[in-house]
Amino acid sequence: SAVISQKPSRDICQRGTSLTIQCQVDSQVTMMFWYRQQPGQSLTLIATANQGSEATYESGFVIDKFPISRPNLTFSTLTVSNMSPEDSSIYLCSVEDRGSGMGELFFGEGSRLTVL
Amino acid sequence: AQSVTQPDIHITVSEGASLELRCNYSYGATPYLFWYVQSPGQGLQLLLKYFTGDTLVQGIKGFEAEFKRSQSSFNLRKPSVHWSDAAEYFCAVGAEGESGYSTLTFGKGTMLLVSP
Repeated sequence: SAVISQKPSRDICQRGTSLTIQCQVDSQVTMMFWYRQQPGQSLTLIATANQGSEATYESGFVIDKFPISRPNLTFSTLTVSNMSPEDSSIYLCSVEDRGSGMGELFFGEGSRLTVL
Repeated sequence: AQSVTQPDIHITVSEGASLELRCNYSYGATPYLFWYVQSPGQGLQLLLKYFTGDTLVQGIKGFEAEFKRSQSSFNLRKPSVHWSDAAEYFCAVGAEGESGYSTLTFGKGTMLLVSP
């Protein structure tokens, strides 16, 4: 199983600013996933990050708002740009353990952002 | 596109009583099904998964789930609930994306409260 560390665990941000969330995995993984969990809602996939190529964004999410970096096989960042109160959410990093079979995702503890 | 419905937003169960959390899915092919648990301030942890084979799946922490194709359901059960089971539970359906990796669609979650 993979161990995933996210930073920051929580933050309070001002409207209009940007924040970068870091995700570190204790093993090399090909794909990393970023999810958003809005208050009272389920998890929604933002994008899939493959090392060495641009991230693939889901419908409703764009690179200008959520730029992602994937510089190596154990690390990724998600930036939430020009934040508004609607961006207040938990952002979760995830990786898939292919050795356990398709679909077994491991999650970080999440980064809880509050935008004032 | 796949979808997941968890009809119960909150459920309260007495400690020691049995538990069943409902999950219905919509997917055009044979689904990959998962149950995750999220404790307060924590990331998601996989409880169990169904890919193929026996429709009654055993998971961690004494949980089990039964896949019923005719009802498009994958309900989670536990015979005797412990106070430490209080958490939010998410059902998810998976499909293999174009990248060859999983795309998981989550339900909105069921919050389990355990009363003394």
